[in-house]
Amino acid sequence: AQTVTQSQPEMSVQEAETVTLSCTYDTSENNYYLFWYKQPPSRQMILVIRQEAYKQQNATENRFSVNFQKAAKSFSLKISDSQLGDTAMYFCAFYGTASKLTFGTGTRLQVTL
Amino acid sequence: DTAVSQTPKYLVTQMGNDKSIKCEQNLGHDTMYWYKQDSKKFLKIMFSYNNKELIINETVPNRFSPKSPDKAHLNLHINSLELGDSAVYFCASSHNRGVEAFFGQGTRLTVV
Repeated sequence: AQTVTQSQPEMSVQEAETVTLSCTYDTSENNYYLFWYKQPPSRQMILVIRQEAYKQQNATENRFSVNFQKAAKSFSLKISDSQLGDTAMYFCAFYGTASKLTFGTGTRLQVTL
Repeated sequence: DTAVSQTPKYLVTQMGNDKSIKCEQNLGHDTMYWYKQDSKKFLKIMFSYNNKELIINETVPNRFSPKSPDKAHLNLHINSLELGDSAVYFCASSHNRGVEAFFGQGTRLTVV
């Protein structure tokens, strides 16, 4: 079974600074997808970014980018120019042949003035 | 025009009661899911339906019974509610077991 590990329960960053959230996963599959979801206090699950394992190029969405290291099974999220609205729980998730999302335990990110 | 909508958003009930949570999606998807988020924010899949057929049934107590009357609806019925059932329940949908899942806003269930 796949496992997803987020080793940082909480992080804090100042507005306009850059922060990196870590995620590692374990799988024997070769083709899969990785995601970062954001859950603000409203509790809505919002897709931030996705990465296909067969693509070597790291995905980027505006201020959000990932560092995908397939051999190391690492998938970190970098948030540039942090904004107060980025304050949320961030979940790393794996999707493979089981056709379901397996989530990490989440990282609570606080953006401060 | 909410894509995935759940009702109710909040549900407070006593132990031993039976309750249902409804989910509807208007995205034309044929796969729907129920996820549970516990008090520590951990999210885990419970069930998945594809074209009204049960595809995934994780180790969930028999008191939980999903029902999919059609592709656009997936309801969750819970019998004999227990304190430990208190959680946020998320419905989600995707196209043909597709990768990208769209989530509803969640139902916070509190059992007292």
